[in-house]
Amino acid sequence: DAGVIQSPRHEVTEMGQEVTLRCKPISGHNSLFWYRQTMMRGLELLIYFNNNVPIDDSGMPEDRFSAKMPNASFSTLKIQPSEPRDSAVYFCASSLFVGGIPYEQYFGPGTRLTVT
Amino acid sequence: DAKTTQPPSMDCAEGRAANLPCNHSTISGNEYVYWYRQIHSQGPQYIIHGLKNNETNEMASLIITEDRKSSTLILPHATLRDTAVYYCIVPASDWDTGNQFYFGTGTSLTVIP
Repeated sequence: DAGVIQSPRHEVTEMGQEVTLRCKPISGHNSLFWYRQTMMRGLELLIYFNNNVPIDDSGMPEDRFSAKMPNASFSTLKIQPSEPRDSAVYFCASSLFVGGIPYEQYFGPGTRLTVT
Repeated sequence: DAKTTQPPSMDCAEGRAANLPCNHSTISGNEYVYWYRQIHSQGPQYIIHGLKNNETNEMASLIITEDRKSSTLILPHATLRDTAVYYCIVPASDWDTGNQFYFGTGTSLTVIP
C-alpha cells in the first residue's frame, strides 16, 4: 500500500485566496483525521470522520475552515479565505474504526502551507 | 482521556539503549498506551502500543508497569536516525464515535554519535 497520500506537498498562497488540501487514506481504513502542526501549538486535531461522516469538528479554528469526505477514498480540507496565521503543516491520517478499539493512525507526509 | 507526562528532552549514545519514560497515572482499565515518533518535517510514525502486557516489535519494546500508571519505550540499539520527538498517548476511545489521539509536547530524543 502506498500509505496516506496528501497533495499538494507545498502550497504558497496570498492572503484572501482559497486553499484546498487533499487526502487519500489507506485503502480499507474507515476513519480519517485532519491535523495541523505549528511550532506554537504543536499537533492539533482539527476534525475526524468515521465512515465518511464528520464526528467531531470542534478543533476547526473558525468558519473559514471546512472539510469534506465525499467517499471512502478522498477528503478535502478547505480554507477560504486564507490568512497568514493559517501557515502550518497540515497532516492527514487514517485508521480502522471498530467500536471501542483505538487502532493506530497512519499519517501522510503533510502539506506545508504558507500564506503571505 | 488520560493525560500523559514525559520529560521534554533526553540524550542517548549511539548503539546504547534509549529508555523513554511516560507517566499516565489516571489511565483507566481499558485504555491503551500508544507511542509515536516524529522525525523532523515528517508525519508522525506509529511505533507500538499495549494494554497490560509488555510488547515488542521490530522497532521497539514497550514496558508497562503492573499498576499501568507508567510505561517505558525502549529502543534497544539507538541509531542517529532515531533522533526524533517521541509521543506517549493514551487515546480517548468511544465505542460509538471512535478514538482521538491527543499529541502533547513529547520527548525530544537526541542520539549522539
